[in-house]
Amino acid sequence: GAVVSQHPSRVICKSGTSVKIECRSLDFQATTMFWYRQFPKQSLMLMATSNEGSKATYEQGVEKDKFLINHASLTLSTLTVTSAHPEDSSFYICSALNRGLEGYTFGSGTRLTVV
Amino acid sequence: KQEVTQIPAALSVPEGENLVLNCSFTDSAIYNLQWFRQDPGKGLTSLLLIQSSQREQTSGRLNASLDKSSGRSTLYIAASQPGDSATYLCAALGAGSYQLTFGKGTKLSVIP
Repeated sequence: GAVVSQHPSRVICKSGTSVKIECRSLDFQATTMFWYRQFPKQSLMLMATSNEGSKATYEQGVEKDKFLINHASLTLSTLTVTSAHPEDSSFYICSALNRGLEGYTFGSGTRLTVV
Repeated sequence: KQEVTQIPAALSVPEGENLVLNCSFTDSAIYNLQWFRQDPGKGLTSLLLIQSSQREQTSGRLNASLDKSSGRSTLYIAASQPGDSATYLCAALGAGSYQLTFGKGTKLSVIP
């Protein structure tokens, strides 16, 4: 079946530094990928939609200069949290639309802790 | 704006019981509805996807139904096992959209 690989699974960084999270579709091409953020006991909140070869579309309230998204190929999208602060600590999950199955495949998530 | 609600928020059952998880959505103009499983600290695993033209989908002990007109979907789990303990999320994909709208999930605990 379709697989999306997300790395790293867990990262701890110092306040003020930047962290990059990678999301790869392993056995299908994903022209569209999505980045979500999940707070404890809450559901997933869409942060942005990443389109291959074009600028990402951000949801209202999400700072595009803070959460940089790059979708340079049909199998890779990256999310960079710039100048991270403790309030950015959260669980980030990516997903890719598998047009063949018309379903979404999710990565395993990244637990970011900013200290 | 689509809103997805899942009831109950948490459910605890003894092993072997059959159970039903509920999902409702406010906008019936959906392309499909997908059920996911999420284990603590992990990503989402797709369980079942029901296209808007379908009424139900089955996979092993799982059966998901969809009633677009009433804005409801159910996930039926037969003969529950402790390994089924997880949070179950439903998500609706709007027609003409690539965005999934998620419910808050139902946390299921199956007691041995």
